Amino acid sequence: QVQLVQSGAEVKKPGASVKVSCKASGYTFTGYYIHWVRQAPGQGLEWMGRINPNNGGTNYAQKFQGRVTMTRDTSISTAFMELSRLRSDDTVLYYCARERRSSHLDAFDYWGQGTLVTVSS
Amino acid sequence: EIVLTQSPGTLSLSPGERATLSCRASQSVSSSYLAWYQQKPGQAPRLLIYDASSRATGIPDRFSGSGSGTDFSLTISRLEPEDFAVYHCQQYGSSPWTFGQGTKVEIK
Repeated sequence: QVQLVQSGAEVKKPGASVKVSCKASGYTFTGYYIHWVRQAPGQGLEWMGRINPNNGGTNYAQKFQGRVTMTRDTSISTAFMELSRLRSDDTVLYYCARERRSSHLDAFDYWGQGTLVTVSS
Repeated sequence: EIVLTQSPGTLSLSPGERATLSCRASQSVSSSYLAWYQQKPGQAPRLLIYDASSRATGIPDRFSGSGSGTDFSLTISRLEPEDFAVYHCQQYGSSPWTFGQGTKVEIK
C-alpha cells in the first residue's frame, strides 16, 4: 500500500535551517510529484512547492522562493524539504503529499503524517 | 493566485442531517480542477473529491461534489458520527495550488 513516512519533530533556533524527509513506499517513486504543504495550529493549509522525483525539477510558491529547497534521492525513494532562515512563524506542521497523477495538475491522494517544526530561541 | 473562500466557517448539525459546504474562487478554476479534503484532529487531510465531483477511492457515496467556474459545493447527504471534522477545498487548475480556510462541521 502507498505510504509516505516523514521524519520526526524538530526544534530549531531562529535563523537556522531545517530539513524534513518524506520516504515513499508502495509505488514507483519517480512516477508521481511530491508536494509540501504546511499548516499552522488551527489554521488552513498552505502550499509550499513540489518536486518531480523523476528529474528533480521543482516549482516553489513565491512566498518561499529563496528560502526553500526541495530535493530527492531516488535510491532511497525519499523527498526532502529544506527551509532556511527560520523565523518564529515557521513553527507549524509540515506535510508531504503525493500528486494523484503526473499527466497534469492534480489533487493530492496520499499524505505523510506531518512533521512539527518548532522555532524557538 | 486564486483565492478560495469557504463558507460557513462552522456548521453545527446533528447526525443524520444534510450538510452543504461552499467554496468560492476569486477567478474561474480551470477544468473544474477542485478538490475537497476531510481533516480530523491530529490527522493529515484525506482526499474526498477531485475534479469537482469525482469521489476518491473508498469514499462513501454520501459525499458528493458539484460546481464549476467559481462556485463549488460539497454535500454530505446524511451525517455520520465520523463525518464531524474540518473540510478544506483546494484548486489545482493553476499554480500555485491554493486552499480555502476550511469549514468545521461540528455536532449540534
